[in-house]
Amino acid sequence: DTGVSQDPRHKITKRGQNVTFRCDPISEHNRLYWYRQTLGQGPEFLTYFQNEAQLEKSRLLSDRFSAERPKGSFSTLEIQRTEQGDSAMYLCASSPLRAGLANEQFFGPGTRLTVL
Amino acid sequence: AQSVTQLDSHVSVSEGTPVLLRCNYSSSYSPSLFWYVQHPNKGLQLLLKYTSAATLVKGINGFEAEFKKSETSFHLTKPSAHMSDAAEYFCVVSELNRDDKIIFGKGTRLHILP
Repeated sequence: DTGVSQDPRHKITKRGQNVTFRCDPISEHNRLYWYRQTLGQGPEFLTYFQNEAQLEKSRLLSDRFSAERPKGSFSTLEIQRTEQGDSAMYLCASSPLRAGLANEQFFGPGTRLTVL
Repeated sequence: AQSVTQLDSHVSVSEGTPVLLRCNYSSSYSPSLFWYVQHPNKGLQLLLKYTSAATLVKGINGFEAEFKKSETSFHLTKPSAHMSDAAEYFCVVSELNRDDKIIFGKGTRLHILP
């Protein structure tokens, strides 16, 4: 499968624990995005990378959240000291970099986080 | 600032009848507009996109959308609904030269009645 993959697909954790999610984008894609989707809402942008550089972070991304893309390939999203309000689906997407064009983003299946 | 409004949170149509999902956008720049579909327990899939070429855009599975700048709309249509079209549909706006950050609407749940 050459699509975007995410791991794990489901994560249940207790409040206060740290969790880390992984995203493997389509191999030739330069850009990688993280979104959060809660029930009944559309995905909300969290952050994105161009290669290994994190270019933008949403104000939704509190200090407890950190994302990395160390080699410009896969990315991790870590949530420290999880809270019940962090329960959501975390989506990863990737896109190629083609100047002047609106690039379609290819989405992974998501990681569903439940904080008890 | 850019934003997108999906006017209906739920739409129900009978199988074989036309589908209309409404979307209005706000953008300070020349927008690109997309429709994505999300089936239960599946990832988001692109249906179609508008990028300042033809205003009538054809997508997959018989869907199409028309960009109307004067109305700031990008409504999604399909002539004849199929049971497999039941899903959540998201209208999305992206501004060129704005690093392709995209804004999702809240979504419209399409129900297909037998």
